[in-house]
Amino acid sequence: RKEVEQDPGPFNVPEGATVAFNCTYSNSASQSFFWYRQDCRKEPKLLMSVYSSGNEDGRFTAQLNRASQYISLLIRDSKLSDSATYLCVVRNEGGKLIFGQGTELSVKP
Amino acid sequence: EPEVTQTPSHQVTQMGQEVILRCVPISNHLYFYWYRQILGQKVEFLVSFYNNEISEKSEIFDDQFSVERPDGSNFTLKIRSTKLEDSAMYFCASRPGWTGNEQYFGPGTRLTVT
Repeated sequence: RKEVEQDPGPFNVPEGATVAFNCTYSNSASQSFFWYRQDCRKEPKLLMSVYSSGNEDGRFTAQLNRASQYISLLIRDSKLSDSATYLCVVRNEGGKLIFGQGTELSVKP
Repeated sequence: EPEVTQTPSHQVTQMGQEVILRCVPISNHLYFYWYRQILGQKVEFLVSFYNNEISEKSEIFDDQFSVERPDGSNFTLKIRSTKLEDSAMYFCASRPGWTGNEQYFGPGTRLTVT
């Protein structure tokens, strides 16, 4: 089983759509959880940390279910500029980040 | 806003040559990391560094790799004898350590081994 597994992509959505990404992780001892976005051939950029209580940042909402080892990201009212690859990332006990393969999102006019 | 910087942006080298990739982490950060991403694949952890020593390394980080923090600002990754399969984007990241677990990534160095 992969350490971090994400929905296969690509997701092609129209502007204004709501899109949801799912992710599961295998190590129950994982410490912290994040969503990063990566534009083509660029560095991963932190989008948001994910907390058990759920958290929201503008149009973005992240959820964590530790019992199911499941993480989600919801993007509302998607913009053209949201087009990118979204990376589900887990931090283990030692501090290293473990990345999922990423899910590509393409928002069309 | 402070950011991690990396040089060079692109390095082309011949197989068997040594390369040094350079990073300047965010000032006052305490934890430093190298990751790599082979084209079309996921980002993979290489090594973490804290208090002037390696704290964790992956299977990829064999004895051909080394890291160093030669002064108060630079953090380097050396590959002693490059192989074709070392061709990848190499990202440096840093983390404050006293607040939050977020790691901030530099723009990367694209290493091409011919």
